[in-house]
Amino acid sequence: SAVISQKPSRDICQRGTSLTIQCQVDSQVTMMFWYRQQPGQSLTLIATANQGSEATYESGFVIDKFPISRPNLTFSTLTVSNMSPEDSSIYLCSVQRQNTGELFFGEGSRLTVL
Amino acid sequence: AQKVTQAQTEISVVEKEDVTLDCVYETRDTTYYLFWYKQPPSGELVFLIRRNSFDEQNEISGRYSWNFQKSTSSFNFTITASQVVDSAVYFCALSLPGTYKYIFGTGTRLKVLA
Repeated sequence: SAVISQKPSRDICQRGTSLTIQCQVDSQVTMMFWYRQQPGQSLTLIATANQGSEATYESGFVIDKFPISRPNLTFSTLTVSNMSPEDSSIYLCSVQRQNTGELFFGEGSRLTVL
Repeated sequence: AQKVTQAQTEISVVEKEDVTLDCVYETRDTTYYLFWYKQPPSGELVFLIRRNSFDEQNEISGRYSWNFQKSTSSFNFTITASQVVDSAVYFCALSLPGTYKYIFGTGTRLKVLA
């Protein structure tokens, strides 16, 4: 299984600020995925990050709010911009195992916006 | 469209009791994958099992067992002799081959009391 490290693990942020979450994988992967888990809710896919191209966003998520970088095959960042309390969530980075399809997740970044 | 339903929002059991977590899925595709993930209080999602639609054999792994029944579109998860460390939120998920999109259920919070 892939080892996925996320930073920060948690943060408390002020309304209107932005925060960048980093995701590092211990092996090269084509696609990296960013999920959001709002309090007490299930996981929702925000976007898919491919190296060398623009991220693909799911319905309801836009690049201006959640800009993503993917500079190489082992690293990605997700920025949560102009945060509001509704952005308080766990943000999870994940990668997919090629031959069997299961997702592996980072530890998550728990954001609280005041 | 695909859908995963976990009707049990929260279950509490006393240690050493057996507990079954229900998962019902909907898809028109004949080939699909089903998964269970565990999310302990620390937040990371831990992969437990993957099952493809052509394999209806039940699986046992230690105290964990899974019952896949295509006739009822269910993929239930049983923990035998539950332990406090089993306390977590458990997610059932569905994905289609050739896609990276997972459809997660809303999760079942399991509390195992000492």
